[in-house]
Amino acid sequence: DIQMTQSPSTLSASVGDRVTITCRASQSISSWLAWYQQKPRKAPKLLIYKASSLESGVPSRFSGSGSGTEFTLTISNLQPDDFATYYCQQYSNTWTFGQGTKVENK
Amino acid sequence: QLQLQESGPGLVKPSETLSLTCTVSGDSLSSSDCSWGWIRQPPGKGLEWIGSITYSGSIYYNPSLKSRVIVSGDTSENQFSLRLTSVTAADTAVYYCARHRFGVGLGVWGQGTTVTVSS
Repeated sequence: DIQMTQSPSTLSASVGDRVTITCRASQSISSWLAWYQQKPRKAPKLLIYKASSLESGVPSRFSGSGSGTEFTLTISNLQPDDFATYYCQQYSNTWTFGQGTKVENK
Repeated sequence: QLQLQESGPGLVKPSETLSLTCTVSGDSLSSSDCSWGWIRQPPGKGLEWIGSITYSGSIYYNPSLKSRVIVSGDTSENQFSLRLTSVTAADTAVYYCARHRFGVGLGVWGQGTTVTVSS
């Protein structure tokens, strides 16, 4: 099975910052990667699919890149609503989630 | 509008079987580009995929849970279900059902249901 490793586990940032989260797959998953945002006591929300495609309705300050085994989620101009936990997920071979990255207010 | 709703007991005794159902409205379990899955989240921890069923009825399980999990679908009721046997306190979690559109990821989730394993 495919393992997903996210880094960092916690990230402290301020409004207006540019934030980058990395996700690595234990083997190539092509571009079959999604990113989710989760707020406390809420279901995750899909942000990015196929590594770099923006889900409808998601602000353009969110972007994704990468292919193969290394992927990045970038939030440019961090907004107050963006403080949350972010997960990557591979869907190349069944499904696996990364362990999550909490973006907290510095 | 597509909606998913989990239902089932909120409290299960250790060694017993956890049973949950996800009712789908606004789409069909047989939609040709979809699969339907169960994901859980223990308190304060991350997301863990449990198992999923495709539109054609193929079923896949997380290897770490495979020996205890059964996922099934009922197209007549437009529901899919989860059974997890021999539960322990480690199975205490919020359980979500979700729809995966092929190539697009898990775009629609249920609100989640909390299941506590305790005597």
